[in-house]
Amino acid sequence: GENVEQHPSTLSVQEGDSAVIKCTYSDSASNYFPWYKQELGKGPQLIIDIRSNVGEKKDQRIAVTLNKTAKHFSLHITETQPEDSAVYFCAAGNNYGQNFVFGPGTRLSVLP
Amino acid sequence: KAGVTQTPRYLIKTRGQQVTLSCSPISGHRSVSWYQQTPGQGLQFLFEYFSETQRNKGNFPGRFSGRQFSNSRSEMNVSTLELGDSALYLCASSSTPGTGGLDTQYFGPGTRLTVL
Repeated sequence: GENVEQHPSTLSVQEGDSAVIKCTYSDSASNYFPWYKQELGKGPQLIIDIRSNVGEKKDQRIAVTLNKTAKHFSLHITETQPEDSAVYFCAAGNNYGQNFVFGPGTRLSVLP
Repeated sequence: KAGVTQTPRYLIKTRGQQVTLSCSPISGHRSVSWYQQTPGQGLQFLFEYFSETQRNKGNFPGRFSGRQFSNSRSEMNVSTLELGDSALYLCASSSTPGTGGLDTQYFGPGTRLTVL
């Protein structure tokens, strides 16, 4: 089955700096890669996703890149703000309605 | 459009009891998935329902079960509760799973279950 690794487990950056979180996956059949942000006391919220027919996707300060050959994908947050502080999860899934497999999460702290 | 709602938000039970959690998906969504989130194991998939049928199941014991109603609302049940069942149980809905691309899942706020 699918296995997703995520690094780093914790990340502290200064406000305004960039943050990068990396995930690797094992199942070459996976073709959908969402990123979720979870704040304390809330459920995960989708922030961006990418499908395997594209290599990069951007939404304002957030971007995701995908390298299918190497089986890794990354989340990039630019110009970080204190409200970006949260736990971020990557996940991998495929076309056949099968369950997502989530990474273990990265706790991001943006220091003012 | 209202988001995914889960009830109750908090539950305290004792070992051996059973519990039923409820999830109402986003209007129009027909797929509901359930996840267990713990500090040690992270987010783990329990099962997925689509059109009242269980389509996929994770690696959890038979004490964990679920169902979906004709209005797409879903319930999950845990029988003979154990201390290790203490977790945040999350429900996620999507419109149409597995049709040319895994559809986006939207999560509810979760039900925090504590087993004493």
